[in-house]
Amino acid sequence: QLQLQESGPGLVKPSETLSLTCAVSGGSVSSNNYYWGWIRQPPGKGLEWIGNIYYSGGTYYDPSLKSRVTISVDTSKNQFSLKLDSVTAADTAVYYCARHFRFSTVTPRGYFDYWGQGTLVTVSS
Amino acid sequence: DIQMTQSPSSLSTSIGDRVTITCRASQTINTYLNWYQQKPGAAPNLLIYGASSLQSGVPSRFSGSGSGTDFTLTISSLQPEDSATYYCQQSYNTPWTFGQGTKVDIK
Repeated sequence: QLQLQESGPGLVKPSETLSLTCAVSGGSVSSNNYYWGWIRQPPGKGLEWIGNIYYSGGTYYDPSLKSRVTISVDTSKNQFSLKLDSVTAADTAVYYCARHFRFSTVTPRGYFDYWGQGTLVTVSS
Repeated sequence: DIQMTQSPSSLSTSIGDRVTITCRASQTINTYLNWYQQKPGAAPNLLIYGASSLQSGVPSRFSGSGSGTDFTLTISSLQPEDSATYYCQQSYNTPWTFGQGTKVDIK
């Protein structure tokens, strides 16, 4: 059974960098059919996609966050990571990592079929 | 970006009732539409992908339909464990976008 587990600081100061890691077990981040993604949910609000990465390093980002986001993958550790620069209170959210199955090798279209439990990150001084 | 609009935002209904949630895309998305269920304090759980395909392990009382811009999630007979918030999500174009959610309560 695939499992994803987010880890990282629960409190980040404004203007600093949010850093999270998602450890994958029960499967490989190097699988051809999958992207690996980050989604966040501000308290009491809906879901916001941040970005996806393929094991070879190819990425897709939400344009509204693209200037501040970096998603990377470490196949040797079977994990992927999120960095979000210059955070503000608006970045306070539960951050989820998830596996994104893609319908074919020529398109990123697909769906998120496995999710981590989520981790709350609060931006506050 | 493709905007996803769900209706209603919330509903309260009885055990055994049929529940219908709609999702409208701001442009055509073919059938690249997914539905997720989220219970309080938990991660979303995939119910339906490709507008109408039931994810493995999801009860058959859940079904999805639609194509183009208009989609529907139906719960044929509401059960107590179906109390949750439901989200649609398009995967036609990045950025992937979600509807605002529909909260389903049990009367």
